[in-house]
Amino acid sequence: GAVVSQHPSWVICKSGTSVKIECRSLDFQATTMFWYRQFPKQSLMLMATSNEGSKATYEQGVEKDKFLINHASLTLSTLTVTSAHPEDSSFYICSAGGQGSQPQHFGDGTRLSIL
Amino acid sequence: GENVEQHPSTLSVQEGDSAVIKCTYSDSASNYFPWYKQELGKRPQLIIDIRSNVGEKKDQRIAVTLNKTAKHFSLHITETQPEDSAVYFCAASYGMDTGRRALTFGSGTRLQVQP
Repeated sequence: GAVVSQHPSWVICKSGTSVKIECRSLDFQATTMFWYRQFPKQSLMLMATSNEGSKATYEQGVEKDKFLINHASLTLSTLTVTSAHPEDSSFYICSAGGQGSQPQHFGDGTRLSIL
Repeated sequence: GENVEQHPSTLSVQEGDSAVIKCTYSDSASNYFPWYKQELGKRPQLIIDIRSNVGEKKDQRIAVTLNKTAKHFSLHITETQPEDSAVYFCAASYGMDTGRRALTFGSGTRLQVQP
């Protein structure tokens, strides 16, 4: 079945650091990937849609200069949280779908803790 | 945009009983409705999905019903087991290429099955 790999699974870093999270589709090509953020005991909120070879589409209220998304190939999208602050601490999850009516598959998520 | 409401937020049942979780959506264009199970700190896992051209779908102990007129859909779990305890999310999207459409999630239901 379709597998989405996300790394790292857990990051703890100091305030002001930039953190890069990778999302890979292992056995299928994904022209579109999605990045979600989930705060404790809350739902998944879409941050942005990552499009291979073009700029990402950000949801209202998400700072594109803070959350940099790069989708340079059909199997890899990266999310970089720049100058992270404690309020950016959250669970970040990517998802990707294959062709046609295939459902989306989620990565394992990255727990980001900013001290 | 789409708005998905989910009830109840918590649900406690005795092992062997049935559990029902309900969701309503706002956008009549939505035509794909997946349900995800998420255990603490892990990825959401697709457990069942339904498209708007059918009213009901069943997979062993799990079933989903859809009422397009009323714009609501429900998850039914029969013969619940302790391992069913988790947070369940409903979601909605539109289009046939569901792998490339962002999902709008409900707020989640924490199901606890008492042994």
